[in-house]
Amino acid sequence: DAGVIQSPRHEVTEMGQEVTLRCKPISGHDYLFWYRQTMMRGLELLIYFNNNVPIDDSGMPEDRFSAKMPNASFSTLKIQPSEPRDSAVYFCASNRDHTDTQYFGPGTRLTVL
Amino acid sequence: AQSVAQPEDQVNVAEGNPLTVKCTYSVSGNPYLFWYVQYPNRGLQFLLKYITGDNLVKGSYGFEAEFNKSQTSFHLKKPSALVSDSALYFCAVSLSYNTDKLIFGTGTRLQVFP
Repeated sequence: DAGVIQSPRHEVTEMGQEVTLRCKPISGHDYLFWYRQTMMRGLELLIYFNNNVPIDDSGMPEDRFSAKMPNASFSTLKIQPSEPRDSAVYFCASNRDHTDTQYFGPGTRLTVL
Repeated sequence: AQSVAQPEDQVNVAEGNPLTVKCTYSVSGNPYLFWYVQYPNRGLQFLLKYITGDNLVKGSYGFEAEFNKSQTSFHLKKPSALVSDSALYFCAVSLSYNTDKLIFGTGTRLQVFP
């Protein structure tokens, strides 16, 4: 398996623009997680899905952030409008169940100017 | 509040010497515990986990960790460090009320000197 796939790997945008990050989980994994990593706040869970259904979005910073999982093989994290403080590395991870290891993608480095 | 702590921001060790990266947690019940490693510009990679059973867990690349319930610790260890072990290490623990979710420590940077 190719592992968790994320695109783009790098994104540079200007404040106010819409940003869409994409994730393809490992086939057969029922859980998908979106994390954000910054120097100041470390690794934060934003939202996670089980069988394409959002289970907990309590980590989503504000209404500018939204996430969808239209099918088992694809998820998006959207920021609209983007702000400089959204600059971070965003990771997607997936696993089979709660005892299983979470497998992380390579991340998307977002820079908002 | 449930939490996980990595008290050391950085650990320095000479190649060939044993290494320990510390992790303590504050979670009720019987948590699941994980160690991950992150190399520069990469995602987190799984090293090992404790779910149940033997308190000593062996993982990838010669790493091991010991679950100590009385001290609520899960320290990562390796008998002989390699320069290539230099990376950022994260301890993670599942929440007792929702074992789907992991909370991560702040990370410990391990630097192994030749």
